[in-house]
Amino acid sequence: DQQVKQNSPSLSVQEGRISILNCDYTNSMFDYFLWYKKYPAEGPTFLISISSIKDKNEDGRFTVFLNKSAKHLSLHIVPSQPGDSAVYFCAASAPNAGKSTFGDGTTLTVKP
Amino acid sequence: DAMVIQNPRYQVTQFGKPVTLSCSQTLNHNVMYWYQQKSSQAPKLLFHYYDKDFNNEADTPDNFQSRRPNTSFCFLDIRSPGLGDAAMYLCATSSGVRDRGHEQYFGPGTRLTVT
Repeated sequence: DQQVKQNSPSLSVQEGRISILNCDYTNSMFDYFLWYKKYPAEGPTFLISISSIKDKNEDGRFTVFLNKSAKHLSLHIVPSQPGDSAVYFCAASAPNAGKSTFGDGTTLTVKP
Repeated sequence: DAMVIQNPRYQVTQFGKPVTLSCSQTLNHNVMYWYQQKSSQAPKLLFHYYDKDFNNEADTPDNFQSRRPNTSFCFLDIRSPGLGDAAMYLCATSSGVRDRGHEQYFGPGTRLTVT
């Protein structure tokens, strides 16, 4: 049973518009959520995280929203740029686990 | 620059022939992880070390072993590779500090092909 799900395998948006990537989780013990970005032939790189005690975290063009009651989080990228084209992984970790559970990823394509 | 290095980037091995993948880090992080990733799937955690404490995932096949001789290095041994073990193997590290949820730093991965 997959505890972290990214139901959209791909997303295509126009440059300058908003990209919204979604993630759902099932384990209510998760208390930290992270987003990673992966370019081809590279390992994932950390993008932004949010603690379960918050509902929003913002870093430049990137904002993560957390809805605990719905067990749902989303990553907003505004404005989207062609360089944002990559695979985005959602991950979640539980207290004292020392590890994260990843979703399958969403491939974002930003068209010029 | 501090980083996570994986060697080799591409490895071809024969069915049943043991293979070792290596990972080194200059971040001086306490935690090191090995993941297996098959295309369009989530990275699947195989093991992780917190310092010298080894943590094996329950569903990691016995065919996979790991060694961490010191803080900087970690190895993944596949004793008898099968065709189903062909995948990208990712090494990652974490400081072990929970301030950002065990943010991990990944190496570029080793693409394993089994012939």
